[in-house]
Amino acid sequence: QSALTQPASVSGSPGQSITISCTGTSSDVGGYTYVTWYQQHPGKAPRFMIYDVNKRPLGVSNRFSGSKSGNTATLTISGLQAEDEADYYCTSYTSSSTWVFGGGTKLTV
Amino acid sequence: QIHLVESGGGVVQPGRSLRLSCVASGFTFSSYTLHWVRQAPGKGLEWVALISYDGSNKYYGDSVKGRFTISRDNSRNTLYLRMSSLRFEDTAVYYCARGGGGNQVADYWGQGALLTVSS
Repeated sequence: QSALTQPASVSGSPGQSITISCTGTSSDVGGYTYVTWYQQHPGKAPRFMIYDVNKRPLGVSNRFSGSKSGNTATLTISGLQAEDEADYYCTSYTSSSTWVFGGGTKLTV
Repeated sequence: QIHLVESGGGVVQPGRSLRLSCVASGFTFSSYTLHWVRQAPGKGLEWVALISYDGSNKYYGDSVKGRFTISRDNSRNTLYLRMSSLRFEDTAVYYCARGGGGNQVADYWGQGALLTVSS
């Protein structure tokens, strides 16, 4: 199972919006509505941010949103804040009943 | 409050075996799928394995299939990962996670246990 493709890095200024893409295949991202996004600060465990493409768990700011078109999912962060600076990972369920992660994207604010 | 605490990491020689444990609390352990995910130093997340709530279904990532075995003891609220034929490239922080999100995706994570494979 090949890793999903994410940009290595993105950047934005406070208050701006950014997007992070996550590209897979019809056997993972394109075939299911089970794309999840995690935020990870250095030395910390990943934090659950978006699931089922566009749902937010309780406690996650509505500045974070997700979408999907075809084989590509997208995380959007609006109103960037300094604390949003972190690594972001997508993951998708696959046709093999496994999960596959993207390579991760470093967000610089 | 949900907690997952990994243990059993350390330094091991290539070719040897090791078992990681993850003790969970704060939720009904026996009702949830559980995952192991690893992260090599300075690298991204890699999904390793999952086990269904009752242990009847297990799935593995390609890089560990045939070498790693996931198991659970619902009476002890404990998840295990038995790792055999260890390789240098298995060096990573290993996280256990509860599968409580959509389609049992990992939602709550432990803080991780570091495994170093070194001669």
